Amino acid sequence: GESVGLHLPTLSVQEGDNSIINCAYSNSASDYFIWYKQESGKGPQFIIDIRSNMDKRQGQRVTVLLNKTVKHLSLQIAATQPGDSAVYFCAETEAGNNRKLIWGLGTSLAVNP
Amino acid sequence: KAGVTQTPRYLIKTRGQQVTLSCSPISGHRSVSWYQQTPGQGLQFLFEYFSETQRNKGNFPGRFSGRQFSNSRSEMNVSTLELGDSALYLCASSLSTGAGNTIYFGEGSWLTVV
Repeated sequence: GESVGLHLPTLSVQEGDNSIINCAYSNSASDYFIWYKQESGKGPQFIIDIRSNMDKRQGQRVTVLLNKTVKHLSLQIAATQPGDSAVYFCAETEAGNNRKLIWGLGTSLAVNP
Repeated sequence: KAGVTQTPRYLIKTRGQQVTLSCSPISGHRSVSWYQQTPGQGLQFLFEYFSETQRNKGNFPGRFSGRQFSNSRSEMNVSTLELGDSALYLCASSLSTGAGNTIYFGEGSWLTVV
């Protein structure tokens, strides 16, 4: 398969703090990147996306940063809330192949009240 | 607007049997793709359909197949089930296939093979 890794990194933060989740992608040809949140027993939920012609995009309480030079993506969550506890995945895809998402490891975010 | 709907949500099958999973995309969405999620392998792409045509296929054996109907609804089939096919099968839909078309996922179908 093409997915990577089995041991989820875990990030534990205090409620109200900012969270930063990192992702290294593999394909230099990838030009579209997406962050998903997956809660236990549910399907992935779209959070935010970014195209390769941008290096930053902001949503509600979330910001995605893209560094193409080092093939790195990050998701910043402001004022983290208990409801943000979930596994976060980054996914990449390339032009012409853009429904074939290649998924990152996933990071488990635990928010402590 | 209803989201991506997958049926059944849970099912148990015996090794050697076959299974069909169904996916109704968001209204108006024409692209449907399928993923397998397991603790051991994470999320893996199975295939993608657009306008009833398979456009992309992942690295799965021929036992895994799918199709899309004229109303964009999709089904996937797994024949001769193996224990390792136990997984969460996720369907996703998007308006079209161009980059930037947000991909939305359903809640998945949990398949257990015993």
